[in-house]
Amino acid sequence: AQTVTQSQPEMSVQEAETVTLSCTYDTSENNYYLFWYKQPPSRQMILVIRQEAYKQQNATENRFSVNFQKAAKSFSLKISDSQLGDTAMYFCAFMKPPYSGAGSYQLTFGKGTKLSVIP
Amino acid sequence: NAGVMQNPRHLVRRRGQEARLRCSPMKGHSHVYWYRQLPEEGLKFMVYLQKENIIDESGMPKERFSAEFPKEGPSILRIQQVVRGDSAAYFCASSPPAGQGAVEAFFGQGTRLTVV
Repeated sequence: AQTVTQSQPEMSVQEAETVTLSCTYDTSENNYYLFWYKQPPSRQMILVIRQEAYKQQNATENRFSVNFQKAAKSFSLKISDSQLGDTAMYFCAFMKPPYSGAGSYQLTFGKGTKLSVIP
Repeated sequence: NAGVMQNPRHLVRRRGQEARLRCSPMKGHSHVYWYRQLPEEGLKFMVYLQKENIIDESGMPKERFSAEFPKEGPSILRIQQVVRGDSAAYFCASSPPAGQGAVEAFFGQGTRLTVV
């Protein structure tokens, strides 16, 4: 079974600064996907960024980037130029490839990090 | 193309009543997943269904909870004889069959169940 650990229950950052959220995971799989989801007060789950384990290059989406260390099973999220709209819960999640087993896109989530961006 | 639709958004039930949560997947998606989010927690997998089949229900409580995804109509998560501990946000996600190029499931906005 997979586990995902987010060791920072809460974090804060000044507007326009950079913040890094930590995530570690445990799996015996060699190929898998990792995700960061944002959950604002509206509760909608919004996909922020996705990383495929077989790709060595770290994923980047505008102000969001990851530091993926496969050997260390670490997957941190860096948010640059933080904006007030980034205030939300952030969840790290793990998924086995859908082409394995029953074709499932089932996710295993961490407990989340509550990020507050301070004006 | 409408996203994953869940209704109701909010549901209040008295202890002992039944709760029915509905989920309509995205067009073209035949796989549905239900997750539960307790206060201050991450989402926990409950069940994975394909049309007319339960594929994986390893996260479902053994009693009072059931799920279905009929050939026609939405997927239903049913909780019988609700208790206060069932109060949570319930999320549905949908995906196409594996092999169609998608690498993620898409989430609905969730149903917040409050048991009073």
